[in-house]
Amino acid sequence: DVKVTQSSRYLVKRTGEKVFLECVQDMDHENMFWYRQDPGLGLRLIYFSYDVKMKEKGDIPEGYSVSREKKERFSLILESTSTNQTSMYLCASGRGGRTYGYTFGSGTRLTVV
Amino acid sequence: DQQVKQNSPSLSVQEGRISILNCDYTNSMFDYFLWYKKYPAEGPTFLISISSIKDKNEDGRFTVFLNKSAKHLSLHIVPSQPGDSAVYFCAAGGGASKIIFGSGTRLSIRP
Repeated sequence: DVKVTQSSRYLVKRTGEKVFLECVQDMDHENMFWYRQDPGLGLRLIYFSYDVKMKEKGDIPEGYSVSREKKERFSLILESTSTNQTSMYLCASGRGGRTYGYTFGSGTRLTVV
Repeated sequence: DQQVKQNSPSLSVQEGRISILNCDYTNSMFDYFLWYKKYPAEGPTFLISISSIKDKNEDGRFTVFLNKSAKHLSLHIVPSQPGDSAVYFCAAGGGASKIIFGSGTRLSIRP
């Protein structure tokens, strides 16, 4: 069964802390994505990657960075968390070229206090 | 600029009746469309898709209709069941471009 695994389901961090959110997929997908979901705003794309060591900014990249050293792993980094980064973070992966849909992980609920 | 719009943030339907969720898009380059379902504290799961060469795709209780001239698609669920209560996201894509998601509609099925 196809899987996208996110390392943590729930995280609570203090303002200013550094946070790593890890995502691993076992489908050999080229494309990987990080979204955040907030009520009324839907799924907003933070960063995505079409290949190892490649990254592109999505719609809301400010305050975030990413790392993709291996094909199966895509990490989201919050260098210095702020309360407005409290959200549900969702990782997804998809095939390269023509995309027929993404497979999502279960999400990480991050609370910044 | 929202390329994919779900104008109804919520919808309440009686169990056994039909649920109709709507979605509008602006980019005529989109050529495939998807619906995802999301429960609280879980990631979205793929529900059904449709290519722009079709105007209807059916999978069990779920049917997606596409009206290209109106740039509109809808998801019909019949009959609606309690387990259908969730947030539904419409999404669209074209070629190798990334998928664009709408803001979601929260569907509540009441007994």
